[in-house]
This record gives sequence, structure tokens and C-alpha cells, in this order.
Amino acid sequence: SQTIHQWPATLVQPVGSPLSLECTVEGTSNPNLYWYRQAAGRGLQLLFYSVGIGQISSEVPQNLSASRPQDRQFILSSKKLLLSDSGFYLCAWDSRDTQYFGPGTRLTVL
Amino acid sequence: AQSVTQLGSHVSVSEGALVLLRCNYSSSVPPYLFWYVQYPNQGLQLLLKYTSAATLVKGINGFEAEFKKSETSFHLTKPSAHMSDAAEYFCAVSGNQFYFGTGTSLTVIP
Repeated sequence: SQTIHQWPATLVQPVGSPLSLECTVEGTSNPNLYWYRQAAGRGLQLLFYSVGIGQISSEVPQNLSASRPQDRQFILSSKKLLLSDSGFYLCAWDSRDTQYFGPGTRLTVL
Repeated sequence: AQSVTQLGSHVSVSEGALVLLRCNYSSSVPPYLFWYVQYPNQGLQLLLKYTSAATLVKGINGFEAEFKKSETSFHLTKPSAHMSDAAEYFCAVSGNQFYFGTGTSLTVIP
């Protein structure tokens, strides 16, 4: 069966520091992968999606970036965090038109 | 273009009462429709999905949803609310991309 992992589970970072969140999927090959963000009390915002290694599409221009160095690995990064980057970050993959989500990373920028 | 609208960002029901969460969709093609549930600080979990096989879809935890093309609706129901149903619920539509509603927070009053 397929599983999706995210780490870290929680992260507290100062403004201006770098960020790296990792997502890995097991039990499938060449998945479509997605990064979403939930700000406090708000819905899901699609940040990036990837259909293959090295193929990244950005939905919202901002100081975040994504990379896919391996087939089942998806990384979300920032060189300098802003206060507005705080939120709950979710990674997802899809199969047969259905998206499945990881457990999420709670990021607090102070 | 596709979209979903969830009516009511907050819904409160008494324990044992009927749960009704509303979702209307817009789609130029036959849609795939989904309901997800999110518990605090967790990822989204698939409750059920409609893929045109049957208009009444049964999901996990006693939830079901009915696809009504004439009303462009896909409302989520459960006959008797349980305390453990308190969570955020998201409706979504899938076409060439996934579109999520803004979510409905369900409170169950003992």
C-alpha cells in the first residue's frame, strides 16, 4: 500500500531563516506530487505541483520554491522566511483522480 | 472551469442529530467529487468520492453524499452525529486539476 511521509512534524523558525520541508511517497512510482498551505482558519492553497523529476509548476509567486530530486521525493524550500509563511503545509499525491495527503508540517515563523 | 462552494463555514449540531454539510459545484464536464475530513493538526483524509457510478455514495464513519446533477450539489450527510465527528470538512472537484472548497468546521454539542 502507498504511504506518504512528511517531516518535520512541527517547526519553529525565526524570520529570515531558511526552510526545507521534505515529503516522500512509498509504494508507488512516478506520482504527481503537490504542496499545499493552510493559513490559520483558512482553506487550502496550492503552492506547487510536480508531474516528474525536475518538473515543477508554481501556482503562487512567493518566496518559496520546490524541487523534486528523486521520483518519490518532493522538497519545499525558502531562502528567507517571512512571518506570512507560517501555516500548515501539506504534501499530497494522486492516484486515479484522487488526492491523498500526508500528515502535514506545522510551521511557525517568529 | 471548475469550482466548489461550501455553504456555511461553521456548522453546529447536537450529538445524535443529523449532520448536513452543503457543497455545490461548477463543472463543464462530468465531475469527480470528493469529501475530505481534517482533524486538528492532521492531514486530509478521504471520506468518500463520486465517480459517476452511483449517485448515492457511502463513505467511512457513517457518512454519505448524494450527487444531484439538477441542483449541481454534493451534500454530505450523517444520520446521527457523534462527538468524534467534530472536524473540518472539505468538498473538492477534480478535472484537469483539483479544486477545494474553503471548508466547513463541524462542532458537535454534547
